Amino acid sequence: SQTIHQWPATLVQPVGSPLSLECTVEGTSNPNLYWYRQAAGRGLQLLFYSVGIGQISSEVPQNLSASRPQDRQFILSSKKLLLSDSGFYLCAWSPRTGITTEAFFGQGTRLTVV
Amino acid sequence: AQSVTQPDIHITVSEGASLELRCNYSYGATPYLFWYVQSPGQGLQLLLKYFSGDTLVQGIKGFEAEFKRSQSSFNLRKPSVHWSDAAEYFCAVGANTDKLIFGTGTRLQVFP
Repeated sequence: SQTIHQWPATLVQPVGSPLSLECTVEGTSNPNLYWYRQAAGRGLQLLFYSVGIGQISSEVPQNLSASRPQDRQFILSSKKLLLSDSGFYLCAWSPRTGITTEAFFGQGTRLTVV
Repeated sequence: AQSVTQPDIHITVSEGASLELRCNYSYGATPYLFWYVQSPGQGLQLLLKYFSGDTLVQGIKGFEAEFKRSQSSFNLRKPSVHWSDAAEYFCAVGANTDKLIFGTGTRLQVFP
């Protein structure tokens, strides 16, 4: 069966520090991978998605970047965090079928920038 | 571009009462529709999905949803709510793309 791992679960970082959140998927190949951010009252905002190694689509201009160095690994990064980067970050995967099927989510990372 | 609207930010019901959570979507063709549930501090779990066929779909935990093309809606229902159903519920829409777009969510509170 497929599983998705996301870490760390909680992170407190000072303003201006770098960020690296990692997500890995097991039990499947060639998944679509996603990073979402959840802020109170704003639902889930799609930040990045990837359909293959090195292929990253950015949905919103921001202080963050994403990379996919391996087929089942998706990394969210920042060189210098802002207070506004605080939030709950969710990684997800879906089977690559050419249409949008359901996504399967990790347990999330609560990021607090202080 | 597709979009989703969940007009109710917060709903409170008594345990045992019926529930309906509203979802409206915007998309030019037949969408793929989903309902997810999220417990506090957790990821999202899929409740049910609609791709085609029967417009009334059954999901887990006793939930169902009905796709109404004429109203661009995909409302979630449950005939009798349990206290454990208290959570946040998200409607999502997909299309012939690789993106899944979510609504802003509805927080459900259940009173005993």
